[in-house]
Amino acid sequence: TQLLEQSPQFLSIQEGENLTVYCNSSSVFSSLQWYRQEPGEGPVLLVTVVTGGEVKKLKRLTFQFGDARKDSSLHITAAQTGDTGLYLCAGESTDSWGKLQFGAGTQVVVTP
Amino acid sequence: DAGVTQSPTHLIKTRGQQVTLRCSPKSGHDTVSWYQQALGQGPQFIFQYYEEEERQRGNFPDRFSGHQFPNYSSELNVNALLLGDSALYLCASSFRTGVRNTEAFFGQGTRLTVV
Repeated sequence: TQLLEQSPQFLSIQEGENLTVYCNSSSVFSSLQWYRQEPGEGPVLLVTVVTGGEVKKLKRLTFQFGDARKDSSLHITAAQTGDTGLYLCAGESTDSWGKLQFGAGTQVVVTP
Repeated sequence: DAGVTQSPTHLIKTRGQQVTLRCSPKSGHDTVSWYQQALGQGPQFIFQYYEEEERQRGNFPDRFSGHQFPNYSSELNVNALLLGDSALYLCASSFRTGVRNTEAFFGQGTRLTVV
């Protein structure tokens, strides 16, 4: 059972388009992390957000942490084929540091 | 600087057998966590080791056990394998500062297939 709900489950877009993926929970997290995973590989950390309302930008990627620290979004501007992958969000609670609770992921496919 | 390394990369076992997976953490890290990722799912937390002790455990049966060595490397053991244990097993390492851990870095995983 995934404590974090990610939507959509699958997203297919063309190069140059924008996309947003969402991560929602009924629980409050002390921090939330976004990872990208490619087939047969381990997840690679993209960003960590810790403050409610925080917005972080990483080149074409924009991450937002909800004010109540229960939800987050990832927006990609002008997607490229290299953005293809499984995007996972993971929350960490203050009573279990180092234990990440993952969503099921959003599979993003960017076609030329 | 070597990142998190796991071995083997792939493994095929028969139902009922036992398996041991290995993990070397990133240099400077002292905490190792293990995750199971079934096909089409996000990783599920199995347990975490720090100072050679299991510190936290997820909702996994006692068939899953582990160990951490003085050099911080770790092993995951699974006994009496079931078909449902087929998954990608991921190791993540981090550094504990006070009561918190730094961000986790993952290895490439071990793909276990139980037949």
